[in-house]
Amino acid sequence: AQSVSQHNHHVILSEAASLELGCNYSYGGTVNLFWYVQYPGQHLQLLLKYFSGDPLVKGIKGFEAEFIKSKFSFNLRKPSVQWSDTAEYFCAVNEEAAGNKLTFGGGTRVLVKP
Amino acid sequence: DVKVTQSSRYLVKRTGEKVFLECVQDMDHENMFWYRQDPGLGLRLIYFSYDVKMKEKGDIPEGYSVSREKKERFSLILESASTNQTSMYLCASSTLAGGVPFFGPGTRLTVL
Repeated sequence: AQSVSQHNHHVILSEAASLELGCNYSYGGTVNLFWYVQYPGQHLQLLLKYFSGDPLVKGIKGFEAEFIKSKFSFNLRKPSVQWSDTAEYFCAVNEEAAGNKLTFGGGTRVLVKP
Repeated sequence: DVKVTQSSRYLVKRTGEKVFLECVQDMDHENMFWYRQDPGLGLRLIYFSYDVKMKEKGDIPEGYSVSREKKERFSLILESASTNQTSMYLCASSTLAGGVPFFGPGTRLTVL
């Protein structure tokens, strides 16, 4: 069965620091990849997605992610975080062969100190 | 603006009760999903449906059932609620072609 791993459960950093969140998945076939964000008390929102093409994808709020197929990874980055980026971040993977089933990682809680 | 709505934001039930969680989407999406979200475990798929009256088990279907009588509505049923089903339940929908899933606000269920 497919699995998605997010290596960091909690990340604490100061404003203006750079952020990188790791995501690895186990499936070797064609995948679609997503990062979602959940701000405190709010529902999940899509940050960015990768279906095909340029492996470096840009999303909302200055986030980007790079798909490295050889490493089964889809890491999320932001060069300079703000206090408002405090949230929980989820990586999700959809195997095309499994239809539309979306498998999520365990999430990373990010706290940005002002 | 696309919308997925869930019938309750907060729900408190007693052990053994039958519980219904309702989800409605207004985007004419074929796929609908039910997840539960627990700290450190992320979102785990309970059931999904790709068409009316069709359902597929997800990763953790035990103790749950679903119903999809109309395209826009997907119900999650806890036949006999137990304390280990205390969780946040999230509904999502997407197009059949593997489009981006949109999520509802969630229902926080507490089983006493």
